[in-house]
Amino acid sequence: GENVEQHPSTLSVQEGDSAVIKCTYSDSASNYFPWYKQELGKRPQLIIDIRSNVGEKKDQRIAVTLNKTAKHFSLHITETQPEDSAVYFCAASITTSGTYKYIFGTGTRLKVLA
Amino acid sequence: NAGVTQTPKFRILKIGQSMTLQCAQDMNHNYMYWYRQDPGMGLKLIYYSVGAGITDKGEVPNGYNVSRSTTEDFPLRLELAAPSQTSVYFCASSYGRGVHTDTQYFGPGTRLTVL
Repeated sequence: GENVEQHPSTLSVQEGDSAVIKCTYSDSASNYFPWYKQELGKRPQLIIDIRSNVGEKKDQRIAVTLNKTAKHFSLHITETQPEDSAVYFCAASITTSGTYKYIFGTGTRLKVLA
Repeated sequence: NAGVTQTPKFRILKIGQSMTLQCAQDMNHNYMYWYRQDPGMGLKLIYYSVGAGITDKGEVPNGYNVSRSTTEDFPLRLELAAPSQTSVYFCASSYGRGVHTDTQYFGPGTRLTVL
């Protein structure tokens, strides 16, 4: 079935360094790729998303890139800060039997060390 | 707007008990979803609905039931609670499908423990 693989599962970086999280999806028809941030004990919140007709999208220190041919998409966080510490989830849209939903990756726990 | 709300926040059940997790949204969203998140894991889709009166199974529907009698409400029912259902349950909603409407908004979650 469809799946989304996410790597790494944990990532530690020094404050000010960059962090990169990568996801691979299996359904070539996927056309929407959101990224969610989940702080401890909180709900997942959307931080950035990208559609299949765009190769890159940036919002301040956060950027997402998409390679449709390779079915890869990545989250890039520059100038990391302690408040970036959280679990990050990628997702890919899938359409099954005419209905539309997401498949989530397994998450990356990011620790930004001060 | 309150967004997506869930009740209760926490619940402890004994094996075999039943309960209903409530979810409501006031954004006039067509799509609603129930996910479970086991400790240290990702989100697994239990059930979803594309509109009032329409529901469908996700990846892990066994042991659960849902109904969608109104656009606003999407309750999740556990009939015979089992320890394997210990998890955090998130409800989410989205306007629909298409540009600017795909984004799912999550509720605060319900932490359920089955002993």
